[in-house]
Amino acid sequence: DAKTTQPPSMDCAEGRAANLPCNHSTISGNEYVYWYRQIHSQGPQYIIHGLKNNETNEMASLIITEDRKSSTLILPHATLRDTAVYYCIAPRGNENTGNQFYFGTGTSLTVIP
Amino acid sequence: NAGVTQTPKFRILKIGQSMTLQCAQDMNHNYMYWYRQDPGMGLKLIYYSVGAGITDKGEVPNGYNVSRSTTEDFPLRLELAAPSQTSVYFCASSYQGWPYEQYFGPGTRLTVT
Repeated sequence: DAKTTQPPSMDCAEGRAANLPCNHSTISGNEYVYWYRQIHSQGPQYIIHGLKNNETNEMASLIITEDRKSSTLILPHATLRDTAVYYCIAPRGNENTGNQFYFGTGTSLTVIP
Repeated sequence: NAGVTQTPKFRILKIGQSMTLQCAQDMNHNYMYWYRQDPGMGLKLIYYSVGAGITDKGEVPNGYNVSRSTTEDFPLRLELAAPSQTSVYFCASSYQGWPYEQYFGPGTRLTVT
Protein backbone atom coordinates (compact mmCIF):
# COMPACT_ATOMS: atom_id res chain seq x y z
CA ASP A 1 0.00 0.00 0.00
CA ALA A 2 1.01 3.54 -0.56
CA LYS A 3 1.34 5.42 2.72
CA THR A 4 -1.24 8.18 3.00
CA THR A 5 -0.99 11.26 5.19
CA GLN A 6 -4.00 13.31 6.26
CA PRO A 7 -4.42 16.17 8.73
CA PRO A 8 -5.89 14.86 11.98
CA SER A 9 -8.75 17.35 12.10
CA MET A 10 -10.49 20.11 10.16
CA ASP A 11 -13.46 22.42 10.62
CA CYS A 12 -15.82 23.66 7.94
CA ALA A 13 -18.73 26.10 8.07
CA GLU A 14 -22.11 24.65 7.17
CA GLY A 15 -22.98 25.33 3.53
CA ARG A 16 -19.37 25.90 2.50
CA ALA A 17 -17.19 23.50 0.56
CA ALA A 18 -15.09 21.13 2.62
CA ASN A 19 -11.72 20.36 1.05
CA LEU A 20 -9.95 17.39 2.62
CA PRO A 21 -6.35 16.83 1.51
CA CYS A 22 -4.43 13.59 1.32
CA ASN A 23 -0.79 13.03 0.53
CA HIS A 24 0.19 9.73 -1.12
CA SER A 25 3.61 10.49 -2.55
CA THR A 26 4.65 6.80 -2.76
CA ILE A 27 1.64 5.73 -4.79
CA SER A 28 2.38 3.41 -7.69
CA GLY A 29 0.87 3.36 -11.13
CA ASN A 30 -1.99 0.93 -10.53
CA GLU A 31 -2.99 2.03 -7.03
CA TYR A 32 -6.34 3.71 -6.82
CA VAL A 33 -7.18 6.32 -4.23
CA TYR A 34 -10.32 5.61 -2.20
CA TRP A 35 -12.20 7.80 0.22
CA TYR A 36 -14.44 6.51 2.98
CA ARG A 37 -16.06 8.18 5.94
CA GLN A 38 -17.19 6.91 9.31
CA ILE A 39 -19.96 8.66 11.16
CA HIS A 40 -19.90 8.15 14.91
CA SER A 41 -18.65 4.52 15.04
CA GLN A 42 -20.98 3.32 12.29
CA GLY A 43 -19.58 1.14 9.54
CA PRO A 44 -17.37 3.04 7.09
CA GLN A 45 -19.25 4.43 4.11
CA TYR A 46 -17.77 4.44 0.62
CA ILE A 47 -17.58 7.90 -0.94
CA ILE A 48 -15.56 7.83 -4.13
CA HIS A 49 -12.41 6.46 -5.76
CA GLY A 50 -10.18 7.31 -8.69
CA LEU A 51 -6.95 6.44 -10.47
CA LYS A 52 -5.78 9.40 -12.55
CA ASN A 53 -8.72 11.48 -13.62
CA ASN A 54 -10.85 13.67 -11.43
CA GLU A 55 -14.07 11.97 -10.39
CA THR A 56 -17.45 13.25 -9.27
CA ASN A 57 -20.51 11.52 -7.91
CA GLU A 58 -23.59 12.55 -5.96
CA MET A 59 -21.65 12.74 -2.72
CA ALA A 60 -18.35 14.37 -3.57
CA SER A 61 -15.61 15.22 -6.04
CA LEU A 62 -12.12 13.79 -6.06
CA ILE A 63 -9.29 15.87 -7.47
CA ILE A 64 -6.03 13.97 -8.11
CA THR A 65 -2.89 15.90 -8.98
CA GLU A 66 -1.23 15.16 -12.29
CA ASP A 67 1.73 13.45 -10.60
CA ARG A 68 -0.75 11.48 -8.42
CA LYS A 69 1.16 12.30 -5.26
CA SER A 70 -1.79 13.95 -3.59
CA SER A 71 -5.54 14.29 -3.84
CA THR A 72 -8.37 16.36 -2.42
CA LEU A 73 -11.85 15.23 -1.51
CA ILE A 74 -14.39 18.02 -1.96
CA LEU A 75 -17.79 18.04 -0.29
CA PRO A 76 -19.40 20.93 -2.21
CA HIS A 77 -21.94 22.10 0.38
CA ALA A 78 -21.13 20.65 3.77
CA THR A 79 -23.99 19.90 6.14
CA LEU A 80 -23.97 18.93 9.81
CA ARG A 81 -24.52 15.32 8.73
CA ASP A 82 -21.12 15.38 7.03
CA THR A 83 -19.39 15.55 10.41
CA ALA A 84 -17.35 12.33 10.39
CA VAL A 85 -13.88 10.83 10.17
CA TYR A 86 -12.70 10.73 6.55
CA TYR A 87 -10.21 8.10 5.42
CA CYS A 88 -7.98 8.31 2.35
CA ILE A 89 -6.70 4.87 1.29
CA ALA A 90 -4.44 3.71 -1.51
CA PRO A 91 -4.50 -0.10 -1.36
CA ARG A 92 -2.23 -2.36 -3.33
CA GLY A 93 -4.04 -5.08 -5.17
CA ASN A 94 -4.63 -6.74 -8.46
CA GLU A 95 -7.44 -8.58 -10.15
CA ASN A 96 -6.52 -11.79 -8.33
CA THR A 97 -6.49 -10.44 -4.78
CA GLY A 98 -8.84 -8.70 -2.50
CA ASN A 99 -8.47 -5.00 -1.95
CA GLN A 100 -6.67 -5.02 1.40
CA PHE A 101 -7.66 -1.66 2.77
CA TYR A 102 -5.42 -0.37 5.52
CA PHE A 103 -7.23 2.39 7.35
CA GLY A 104 -5.21 4.98 9.23
CA THR A 105 -6.70 7.45 11.68
CA GLY A 106 -8.11 9.74 8.98
CA THR A 107 -9.26 13.36 9.24
CA SER A 108 -11.95 14.24 11.73
CA LEU A 109 -14.14 16.79 9.96
CA THR A 110 -16.44 18.94 12.08
CA VAL A 111 -19.08 20.96 10.26
CA ILE A 112 -19.93 24.04 12.28
CA PRO A 113 -23.42 25.62 12.15
CA ASN B 1 -31.44 -5.16 -0.40
CA ALA B 2 -30.32 -5.42 3.21
CA GLY B 3 -26.67 -5.02 2.17
CA VAL B 4 -24.21 -6.33 4.78
CA THR B 5 -25.75 -7.47 8.04
CA GLN B 6 -23.98 -8.40 11.26
CA THR B 7 -25.15 -10.12 14.41
CA PRO B 8 -25.05 -9.62 17.30
CA LYS B 9 -24.81 -5.83 17.69
CA PHE B 10 -23.28 -6.08 21.16
CA ARG B 11 -21.75 -8.89 23.17
CA ILE B 12 -19.91 -9.25 26.47
CA LEU B 13 -17.68 -12.30 26.84
CA LYS B 14 -15.70 -13.63 29.73
CA ILE B 15 -12.03 -14.45 29.23
CA GLY B 16 -11.64 -17.87 27.65
CA GLN B 17 -15.15 -18.06 26.21
CA SER B 18 -15.79 -18.61 22.53
CA MET B 19 -18.21 -17.03 20.12
CA THR B 20 -18.98 -16.59 16.45
CA LEU B 21 -19.69 -13.22 14.88
CA GLN B 22 -22.07 -13.58 12.00
CA CYS B 23 -21.88 -11.67 8.72
CA ALA B 24 -24.14 -12.01 5.70
CA GLN B 25 -24.54 -10.08 2.44
CA ASP B 26 -27.29 -10.23 -0.16
CA MET B 27 -25.50 -8.40 -2.97
CA ASN B 28 -23.98 -11.53 -4.54
CA HIS B 29 -20.52 -10.21 -3.77
CA ASN B 30 -17.62 -12.61 -4.13
CA TYR B 31 -15.21 -10.90 -1.75
CA MET B 32 -15.77 -10.54 1.98
CA TYR B 33 -13.62 -9.06 4.74
CA TRP B 34 -13.38 -8.82 8.52
CA TYR B 35 -11.89 -5.77 10.23
CA ARG B 36 -11.48 -4.72 13.83
CA GLN B 37 -11.39 -1.17 15.13
CA ASP B 38 -9.92 -0.39 18.54
CA PRO B 39 -10.94 2.84 20.29
CA GLY B 40 -9.56 5.94 18.57
CA MET B 41 -7.84 3.89 15.89
CA GLY B 42 -8.38 3.05 12.25
CA LEU B 43 -9.60 -0.32 11.01
CA LYS B 44 -7.30 -3.32 10.72
CA LEU B 45 -7.93 -6.27 8.40
CA ILE B 46 -8.27 -9.64 10.16
CA TYR B 47 -9.19 -12.07 7.36
CA TYR B 48 -10.64 -11.90 3.91
CA SER B 49 -12.19 -14.30 1.41
CA VAL B 50 -12.20 -14.13 -2.39
CA GLY B 51 -14.96 -16.71 -2.76
CA ALA B 52 -16.63 -19.70 -1.15
CA GLY B 53 -14.03 -22.07 0.27
CA ILE B 54 -11.14 -19.59 -0.02
CA THR B 55 -9.86 -17.47 2.86
CA ASP B 56 -6.63 -15.64 3.62
CA LYS B 57 -5.04 -13.79 6.51
CA GLY B 58 -4.97 -10.05 6.82
CA GLU B 59 -2.90 -7.84 9.09
CA VAL B 60 -4.07 -9.15 12.51
CA PRO B 61 -5.35 -12.77 12.20
CA ASN B 62 -4.07 -14.21 15.50
CA GLY B 63 -6.83 -15.42 17.81
CA TYR B 64 -9.44 -15.66 15.04
CA ASN B 65 -10.68 -18.20 12.55
CA VAL B 66 -12.96 -17.88 9.54
CA SER B 67 -14.77 -20.10 7.09
CA ARG B 68 -16.67 -19.39 3.90
CA SER B 69 -18.99 -22.19 2.91
CA THR B 70 -21.43 -20.01 0.94
CA THR B 71 -21.18 -16.80 -1.06
CA GLU B 72 -23.51 -15.03 1.36
CA ASP B 73 -21.99 -15.82 4.76
CA PHE B 74 -18.59 -15.17 6.33
CA PRO B 75 -18.55 -15.94 10.07
CA LEU B 76 -15.66 -14.96 12.34
CA ARG B 77 -14.81 -17.29 15.21
CA LEU B 78 -13.09 -16.32 18.46
CA GLU B 79 -11.97 -19.48 20.23
CA LEU B 80 -10.46 -18.26 23.51
CA ALA B 81 -11.51 -14.69 24.10
CA ALA B 82 -8.91 -12.36 25.56
CA PRO B 83 -9.24 -8.74 26.77
CA SER B 84 -7.08 -7.65 23.80
CA GLN B 85 -9.95 -8.70 21.52
CA THR B 86 -12.23 -6.04 22.96
CA SER B 87 -13.04 -4.04 19.86
CA VAL B 88 -15.67 -3.19 17.28
CA TYR B 89 -15.75 -5.72 14.46
CA PHE B 90 -16.83 -4.76 10.96
CA CYS B 91 -17.62 -7.06 8.09
CA ALA B 92 -17.43 -5.82 4.50
CA SER B 93 -18.01 -7.16 1.02
CA SER B 94 -17.14 -6.20 -2.54
CA TYR B 95 -18.26 -7.41 -5.97
CA GLN B 96 -14.73 -8.33 -6.90
CA GLY B 97 -11.37 -7.45 -5.40
CA TRP B 98 -9.26 -4.73 -6.84
CA PRO B 99 -10.29 -2.10 -7.69
CA TYR B 100 -13.85 -2.45 -6.44
CA GLU B 101 -15.10 -0.57 -3.41
CA GLN B 102 -16.10 -2.35 -0.21
CA TYR B 103 -19.44 -2.04 1.56
CA PHE B 104 -19.48 -2.30 5.33
CA GLY B 105 -21.90 -3.67 7.87
CA PRO B 106 -22.97 -1.81 11.04
CA GLY B 107 -20.48 -3.56 13.29
CA THR B 108 -20.46 -5.77 16.39
CA ARG B 109 -19.21 -4.22 19.63
CA LEU B 110 -17.44 -6.90 21.66
CA THR B 111 -16.19 -6.55 25.23
CA VAL B 112 -14.07 -9.25 26.86
CA THR B 113 -13.78 -9.05 30.65
